[in-house]
Amino acid sequence: RKEVEQDPGPFNVPEGATVAFNCTYSNSASQSFFWYRQDCRKEPKLLMSVYSSGNEDGRFTAQLNRASQYISLLIRDSKLSDSATYLCVVNRSANAGGTSYGKLTFGQGTILTVHP
Amino acid sequence: GAVVSQHPSWVICKSGTSVKIECRSLDFQATTMFWYRQFPKQSLMLMATSNEGSKATYEQGVEKDKFLINHASLTLSTLTVTSAHPEDSSFYICSAYAPGRGAFFGQGTRLTVV
Repeated sequence: RKEVEQDPGPFNVPEGATVAFNCTYSNSASQSFFWYRQDCRKEPKLLMSVYSSGNEDGRFTAQLNRASQYISLLIRDSKLSDSATYLCVVNRSANAGGTSYGKLTFGQGTILTVHP
Repeated sequence: GAVVSQHPSWVICKSGTSVKIECRSLDFQATTMFWYRQFPKQSLMLMATSNEGSKATYEQGVEKDKFLINHASLTLSTLTVTSAHPEDSSFYICSAYAPGRGAFFGQGTRLTVV
C-alpha cells in the first residue's frame, strides 16, 4: 500500500464548478499535511497547509481527519488558472545519523483541468 | 515565502559524463535538504536526504555512488549524477524544509542524457 494515496483523476470541470480532492495516508505518525500544486514541467508550489480544525484560503478549503487518516481539498468557483496537478503531501519525522528531520511523502497527484 | 534556488534549470549531456546540480536556500538556513526525481506523468520520488556536515541518507534502490550528494554549508547542497546514462534523464528537484512554513522547492533541473 502506498504511504499517500490520491485519486489520480483526471478531473475535467467547467469554470465556476466546485471540485473536491481526497487523499489518504497510512502512517499514523505523520505530523503535518499540505496541498501543493504543480504546473506542467514546473516545481511544486505550496498551496496550503492542512489543519485538524480545517482551514480556508479564499476559494480553497482543506480538511484533515486524523482518525480516518484522510485529507481533502475543496475548490469553489473554479478558474481556468486552477488547472494543474494537485499533490497531497504528508510530513513525518525521520532520523538519520542522530539528526531528526521532516520527511515529505507525496501522493501521485490529481490532475485538474478547468474548461470554459 | 522562503526561496530555494536550483541551478541549472536544464542540462543536456553526453552519456558517460557527470552533471552537478546545485540547490541553495536563499533566505533561511537548511540543515536538511531533499532531492527528488520525477519521471513524466509520475509523482515526485524522494532519492535522498542531504544533511549538512554528514553523509546523505539514500532511499532504497537509489545508488549512492551514482548520485553523489554534498551538503557543505547550511545553504547549499549539490547532487552530482556520475556517469550519466539516458535512463537517468529526468526532472530533478531539490527542496528544503523551513520549520513552521513547510517545504519549498527549487525550480527543478531537467536532465537529458544523449
